[in-house]
Amino acid sequence: AQKITQTQPGMFVQEKEAVTLDCTYDTSDPSYGLFWYKQPSSGEMIFLIYQGSYDQQNATEGRYSLNFQKARKSANLVISASQLGDSAMYFCAMREARSGGSYIPTFGRGTSLIVHP
Amino acid sequence: SQTIHQWPATLVQPVGSPLSLECTVEGTSNPNLYWYRQAAGRGLQLLFYSVGIGQISSEVPQNLSASRPQDRQFILSSKKLLLSDSGFYLCAWSVLADSYEQYFGPGTRLTVT
Repeated sequence: AQKITQTQPGMFVQEKEAVTLDCTYDTSDPSYGLFWYKQPSSGEMIFLIYQGSYDQQNATEGRYSLNFQKARKSANLVISASQLGDSAMYFCAMREARSGGSYIPTFGRGTSLIVHP
Repeated sequence: SQTIHQWPATLVQPVGSPLSLECTVEGTSNPNLYWYRQAAGRGLQLLFYSVGIGQISSEVPQNLSASRPQDRQFILSSKKLLLSDSGFYLCAWSVLADSYEQYFGPGTRLTVT
């Protein structure tokens, strides 16, 4: 079963508008982390934001915020005031503990965001 | 500051040929190292990870292998490439302790013909 589900293969938004990218996850581990990465057409993966399972407040980083709803197991990314440079693939990922103390991330399939002028 | 290098940037190889992709990290010690593959239009699939020299964990069965001959060097290899090995290969590192952030290299685009 998929551990990270991103149901929106593609999203379109007008420049300066806000957009929400959906992400749901599945885990039985009480301690986990959720994060989002941005992948422009160049291919590099850029870390955007992180939310720990025990964090009481939603994470924010500049124009990025993570809408964490633990009971619903969702971790949606909100981008406010979209810019043309925000056009990219966006990946949601979850980190779970493995035996031996390592933390292994699982990535979703991604959402393609296109910002229109 | 820390940097991660991958080479080559692009590679076109015939089916049945060998493969060697290299990843090196500078500016940090004893990192966790990861190899991912991203097929066209797909998410990242974790192939291997390593928590130390000579320690390799494989996530999926395949004809690829990984090695970590030095602390900050991670190599992805194959003896005989398949068409299905085509994709975008990303190396990443994270600090060995409980760290949520991974730092990715620029990637290698492999086309098997």
